[in-house]
Amino acid sequence: DAGVTQSPTHLIKTRGQQVTLRCSPKSGHDTVSWYQQALGQGPQFIFQYYEEEERQRGNFPDRFSGHQFPNYSSELNVNALLLGDSALYLCASSRAGVGEAFFGQGTRLTVV
Amino acid sequence: RKEVEQDPGPFNVPEGATVAFNCTYSNSASQSFFWYRQDCRKEPKLLMSVYSSGNEDGRFTAQLNRASQYISLLIRDSKLSDSATYLCVVNKYSGNTPLVFGKGTRLSVIA
Repeated sequence: DAGVTQSPTHLIKTRGQQVTLRCSPKSGHDTVSWYQQALGQGPQFIFQYYEEEERQRGNFPDRFSGHQFPNYSSELNVNALLLGDSALYLCASSRAGVGEAFFGQGTRLTVV
Repeated sequence: RKEVEQDPGPFNVPEGATVAFNCTYSNSASQSFFWYRQDCRKEPKLLMSVYSSGNEDGRFTAQLNRASQYISLLIRDSKLSDSATYLCVVNKYSGNTPLVFGKGTRLSVIA
């Protein structure tokens, strides 16, 4: 049983570019949440997808957008990248109504 | 006041020691509580859920005090492999809602 998988694992982008990160949830999970973790900080909630809709959103600008597909996989898109967007982006999957979440290995994004 | 607060440490302890981490949360309506472990440059991994009655898993014991909005994690007989950052995590409401993380407490177990 594959756990949560994310791609790519590392990425280097230039300021102003756009990036797409991908996540496949754990088998049996239908909810995907995205988090941003800056160095030395705890993960910060970006948004959550369930039934192909954004259900909840954290305090992130509209440059951050996402999508969930019928197979529950998800994408995180960030437009007009800033240096401050450099971080580890984590995808967490869970089952609706269950609090426990399981994380993928993350995508380390560096903006130069 | 931050939603979830932890002492960042680092806690440097010898092998075999007992170490305790504390965490406070600000939202009294919080429903679910967890401890996650994060190794350097890796993803957080669920260590244990925290129940009102307290719970134990081997060398690890978690306690919840709702009145004081306080969560604790006790590690007995520390191993070198316990070295990691321990994240206190609160689920704001019930069910499928965002997790709120503390900044984490760094533990180094020394031989």
